Amino acid sequence: AQSVTQPDIHITVSEGASLELRCNYSYGATPYLFWYVQSPGQGLQLLLKYFSGDTLVQGIKGFEAEFKRSQSSFNLRKPSVHWSDAAEYFCAVDTGRRALTFGSGTRLQVQP
Amino acid sequence: GAVVSQHPSRVICKSGTSVKIECRSLDFQATTMFWYRQFPKQSLMLMATSNEGSKATYEQGVEKDKFLINHASLTLSTLTVTSAHPEDSSFYICSATGLQLDTQYFGPGTRLTVL
Repeated sequence: AQSVTQPDIHITVSEGASLELRCNYSYGATPYLFWYVQSPGQGLQLLLKYFSGDTLVQGIKGFEAEFKRSQSSFNLRKPSVHWSDAAEYFCAVDTGRRALTFGSGTRLQVQP
Repeated sequence: GAVVSQHPSRVICKSGTSVKIECRSLDFQATTMFWYRQFPKQSLMLMATSNEGSKATYEQGVEKDKFLINHASLTLSTLTVTSAHPEDSSFYICSATGLQLDTQYFGPGTRLTVL
C-alpha cells in the first residue's frame, strides 16, 4: 500500500527565511502528488500538484515543489516565509483511485 | 470555481443521538465524493468514497452501519453518524471531484463534539 512520510512534525523559521518541508512517498509507480495547507479549524487549501512533466512545480502563495523520482520525494519550498504562512502543511498522494493518502503533517511556526 | 461547502460547520450533540453532515458541490457536478476524518493534531484519514447513485465504499475499519453515507445527487452527499459516542468527536472533511476535474476540492470541515 502507498504511504506518505513527512519526517518533520514541527518546524520553526524566522520571517523572511527560506523554508523546505520534506515529503517522501512509497509507491511502485509515480503517483499524483499534492501539497495542502490547513489553518487551525479550517479545511484544506491546495498549494500545488504534480501529475507529470516538469519536475519543478509552481504553486500559489510563492510556494514551489520539486519531484525527485530517485529519492521518492516531493519537497515543498518557499524562498522567503511570511508570518501568514504559519499553518499545518500536508503532503498527499493519489495512486489512481482518486482518494488521497495524506502524510502526518508538518506544523510551521514563523518567528518575527 | 470548484467550491465545496459543508453544513453544519460545528455541531454538538448528546451521546446516543444521530447527526447528519451535508457536503455540497456548488458549481460543478460531483461524480465522486470522499469523506475524511481528522483527529486533533493528526492527519486526515479516508473513511469512504461515494459515487453518485452507488453505495459508498468504506475503508477498512470504518463501520458502515455507524457512518451512513448517501450520495443521491450530483451535488450532495451526506454523512450520518448514528448513535454517536464521545469517541466519534472529530473534524469531518468532505471532498468532491467531477469528470472535468483533475483533482478533488475540499469542504471547510465540520467539527463534531459528542457529549
